[in-house]
Amino acid sequence: DIQMTQSPTSLSASVGDSITITCRASQNIDIGLNWYQQKPGKAPQLVIYSAFSLQRGVPSRFSGSGSGTDFTLSISSLQPEDFATYYCQQRFSTPLTFGGGTRVEVK
Amino acid sequence: QVRLQESGPGLVKPSQTLSLICSVSGVSVTSGDFFWNWIRQPPGKGLEWIGYIYYNGETSYNPSLQSRVSISADTSKNQFSLKLTSVTATDTAVYYCARGSFFNWFDPWGQGVPVTVSS
Repeated sequence: DIQMTQSPTSLSASVGDSITITCRASQNIDIGLNWYQQKPGKAPQLVIYSAFSLQRGVPSRFSGSGSGTDFTLSISSLQPEDFATYYCQQRFSTPLTFGGGTRVEVK
Repeated sequence: QVRLQESGPGLVKPSQTLSLICSVSGVSVTSGDFFWNWIRQPPGKGLEWIGYIYYNGETSYNPSLQSRVSISADTSKNQFSLKLTSVTATDTAVYYCARGSFFNWFDPWGQGVPVTVSS
């Protein structure tokens, strides 16, 4: 199985801040990396697919980068609705696996 | 608009079989463009992919659950289902169904159904 490691596990930020979350794969997954946002009590929602493609309807302040084993999700100018937990997921091979999540909290 | 909705018992006894249904609207489960997935999330924990079914009946399961899981589809009702046998407390989780693209990203997801394994 491909192991996905996210860091940090949590971070505190303020509205207007820019943040970056990292995700590392245990082996080369090319650009096979997706990002999801999950709010408490809700299902995850796709934010970024294939490492850097913005899902339709997602604000342009979200961006993704990386390839191979190292990836990042960046949010510029955090908005109140962005405080949530973010998960990365590799799509390179089955079993499809997720990172442990990064909780973005209000400072 | 594509919608998925999970349904099933919220409480299952240990050693019994967990059975859930995902009802799909807005797209046919017979579409060759998508895979139909189950994913779960234990309380306070991360996400675990359980498996998928493709329109032709092909399935793929997480090896960690493979001996206990089966996913099937009822095309007449535009539904797909999950069966997990011999459940224990570690199977307590919110279970989600989700549409998977051909490149294996999940969108959209159902709202999730909480299942507790307890006597």
